[in-house]
Amino acid sequence: GAGVSQSPRYKVAKRGQDVALRCDPISGHVSLFWYQQALGQGPEFLTYFQNEAQLDKSGLPSDRFFAERPEGSVSTLKIQRTQQEDSAVYLCASRIGALPPWDTQYFGPGTRLTVL
Amino acid sequence: QKEVEQNSGPLSVPEGAIASLNCTYSDRGSQSFFWYRQYSGKSPELIMFIYSNGDKEDGRFTAQLNKASQYVSLLIRDSQPSDSATYLCAVSDFGNEKLTFGTGTRLTIIP
Repeated sequence: GAGVSQSPRYKVAKRGQDVALRCDPISGHVSLFWYQQALGQGPEFLTYFQNEAQLDKSGLPSDRFFAERPEGSVSTLKIQRTQQEDSAVYLCASRIGALPPWDTQYFGPGTRLTVL
Repeated sequence: QKEVEQNSGPLSVPEGAIASLNCTYSDRGSQSFFWYRQYSGKSPELIMFIYSNGDKEDGRFTAQLNKASQYVSLLIRDSQPSDSATYLCAVSDFGNEKLTFGTGTRLTIIP
């Protein structure tokens, strides 16, 4: 079946602009995660949804970052007033459950955000 | 602060040899352990997961877990040039849903 999809794949924004990044998880996957990956680093956790509920947003770096998943499927990560330090690849992952062996997270292709 | 440590490499291995990748983690409560492969410019792709102490084999890949020593490793037998990538170790624990990643080990297979 189809994997996790993300759009856009590339986004260039001028400093101060708002951006919205979309994630379509694998059908039937209850949990959805957003990660940020800087160049040469491993992905870092941003936020987590179970269905439409945002259960953990401890990784969001500032109040300029906001995520939603209103119907428990598609999710949007919004960054307001973008800064150069926001430049990174934003990865979305989904999984079917919380307990092993169903807790494997599958990643989308990512959105590469460049803030000029 | 939960940490996952990996040697960043680069690790160079001749084609056909065994590549050994290591990872240590700080949180003794970690229960699930994953190895992801990431090609340059691509997203992480799951290679293996392991939950219990010991070895788990899947084709040319073997994951090893030692919870007492808090390390997990990945062995790649008969290394191929297509195995050249960055390998990310990730851990999670029940009740803390996120994955915590290491910085990755860059592996190069030399033909």
